[in-house]
This record gives sequence, structure tokens and C-alpha cells, in this order.
Amino acid sequence: RKEVEQDPGPFNVPEGATVAFNCTYSNSASQSFFWYRQDCRKEPKLLMSVYSSGNEDGRFTAQLNRASQYISLLIRDSKLSDSATYLCVVNWGGGGNKLTFGTGTQLKVEL
Amino acid sequence: EAQVTQNPRYLITVTGKKLTVTCSQNMNHEYMSWYRQDPGLGLRQIYYSMNVEVTDKGDVPEGYKVSRKEKRNFPLILESPSPNQTSLYFCASSPRQGKNQPQHFGDGTRLSIL
Repeated sequence: RKEVEQDPGPFNVPEGATVAFNCTYSNSASQSFFWYRQDCRKEPKLLMSVYSSGNEDGRFTAQLNRASQYISLLIRDSKLSDSATYLCVVNWGGGGNKLTFGTGTQLKVEL
Repeated sequence: EAQVTQNPRYLITVTGKKLTVTCSQNMNHEYMSWYRQDPGLGLRQIYYSMNVEVTDKGDVPEGYKVSRKEKRNFPLILESPSPNQTSLYFCASSPRQGKNQPQHFGDGTRLSIL
């Protein structure tokens, strides 16, 4: 079983739609969680950290469910510019500040 | 401008010819790391460094070496590259080691080993 699992997609949605991605992680000792965005052949960029109480940044909302070991990202009012791959990232807090990445979920927002 | 700079961005070379990919950050970050990204596998950590002269293996260190003689630089060395090291490589840094430290990535280096 992969340490971090995501549905690879692609998710094709019309502009203005609301779309949600889920991600599951296997290490119950994981301590911090992030969503990164990666455009084609570019570097990953931090989209947002994910906090236990859930957090929102504009059109983006992230949720964490420790009991079920999953993380979600909700994007409201999708824009064409949201088209990218969204990477679920977990840091289990052990040595090395190692980030464990999911393989990503591809989002395509269409007119 | 705060950034992580990798060079070269693209390299095509042959098996066995030693190569070095440089990584430099101008943010005075203590922590630096190298990842490789392959289709279907996501990003995997190769090596990391928590500070000058402190390095350790990540998940896939075989065939790679690193050094951290200065805080800003963290080169990745392939002593004898092989085709299975063909990949997209990213260098990353964060202010320090710690569970809530997101990492800043360089633009990536695409290596092709023939």
C-alpha cells in the first residue's frame, strides 16, 4: 500500500464548478499535511497547509480527518487557471523533515 | 528575490560519465533536500541535509552522492550515471527541519542518461 494515495484523475470540470479531491495516508503518526500544486513539467508549489480544524484560503478549503487518515481539498468556482496537478503531501515528523508525496490528482477546468 | 536555483535545467548524457547538478538557495535555509519525480511514483526523496556538513539518505539514495560544505549549496553528484537515473530532479529547501516547514522547490532538472 502506498504511503499517500490519491485518485490520479483527470478530473474534467466546467469553469465555475466545485470540485473535491481526497487523499489517504497510511502512517497514523503523520504530523503535518500540505497541498501542493504542480503545473506541467514545473516545480511543486505550496498551495496550503492543512490544519486539524480545517482551513480556508479564498476559494480553497482543506480538511483533515485524523481518525480516518484522509485529507481533502475543495475548490469552489473553478477557474481555467486552476488546471494543474494537485499533490497531497504528508510529513510524519520523523528524522529528515521528509515530505511524502502522493502521485497527484490532475484537474482540467474547461470552458 | 528568494529562490532555489538548479543547474543545468536539462542534460542529456551517456552512461558512466560523472555529472553534478548544482542547487543554491539565497534564503539562508538550514534544510535542503533532493527529490526525483517519475511517472506513477510521485516525488521521492534522495538525500537531505539539516545543516552544513550534515547529510543523510532519503528513500532512494543508491547511485547518488551529495555534499553540504556551505549553507547555500547542496550539489547532487552522479558518479556513474545509468539509464534508470533518467528522471526529473528537484532541489528543495526550508528554513529548518520541522514538521510544519513547507519546502520551496527549484525549477527542476531533467536528466536523460543514454
